[in-house]
Amino acid sequence: ETGVTQTPRHLVMGMTNKKSLKCEQHLGHNAMYWYKQSAKKPLELMFVYNFKEQTENNSVPSRFSPECPNSSHLFLHLHTLQPEDSALYLCASSQDRTSGSLTQYFGPGTRLLVL
Amino acid sequence: GQNIDQPTEMTATEGAIVQINCTYQTSGFNGLFWYQQHAGEAPTFLSYNVLDGLEEKGRFSSFLSRSKGYSYLLLKELQMKDSASYLCSVMRSNYQLIWGAGTKLIIKP
Repeated sequence: ETGVTQTPRHLVMGMTNKKSLKCEQHLGHNAMYWYKQSAKKPLELMFVYNFKEQTENNSVPSRFSPECPNSSHLFLHLHTLQPEDSALYLCASSQDRTSGSLTQYFGPGTRLLVL
Repeated sequence: GQNIDQPTEMTATEGAIVQINCTYQTSGFNGLFWYQQHAGEAPTFLSYNVLDGLEEKGRFSSFLSRSKGYSYLLLKELQMKDSASYLCSVMRSNYQLIWGAGTKLIIKP
């Protein structure tokens, strides 16, 4: 039990579909992150939120749209994805972006397959 | 540029000791992390080093040399459940984490 949950765990979608990934953390943290993990590649940071404000967008295509309504919840809205977007999408949280404990705690991820 | 290098795969025997190395080149340094990731599961935090030296935590130890841009994770008394990928990551001075591709550790009986 890591304190970070993600739903759904698996998702298959067509290129014209719209879907959303959800992340919730129960650790009282203020920073939340979206990562993409492809096979045999390093984790790629996508977005960072600190105190509900987006602080980083690492040149992510607009077909990925994040939303952070509060410090405990993070969404990733998906629209007109490409097959190369198939990957494991991981959510993480930390106490703060730049102070306190910098350790990030991860959810189990959503395995996404785009057909 | 920014990069982290670690071996792609290692094999070790149950009960033995294995050392997983990580070398890095980054702009600025705010610490180095090791994570364990079992297949299909979340990466879980193992260790954090920000000063040179060895940090011991049960069967796992992590070493850091900032001048050499080098770290290793040492696993003792290997168990079958230690079969997993081990991820090395470095926090840059802007607090962004740079990740290695991970080392898949295979434990044989």
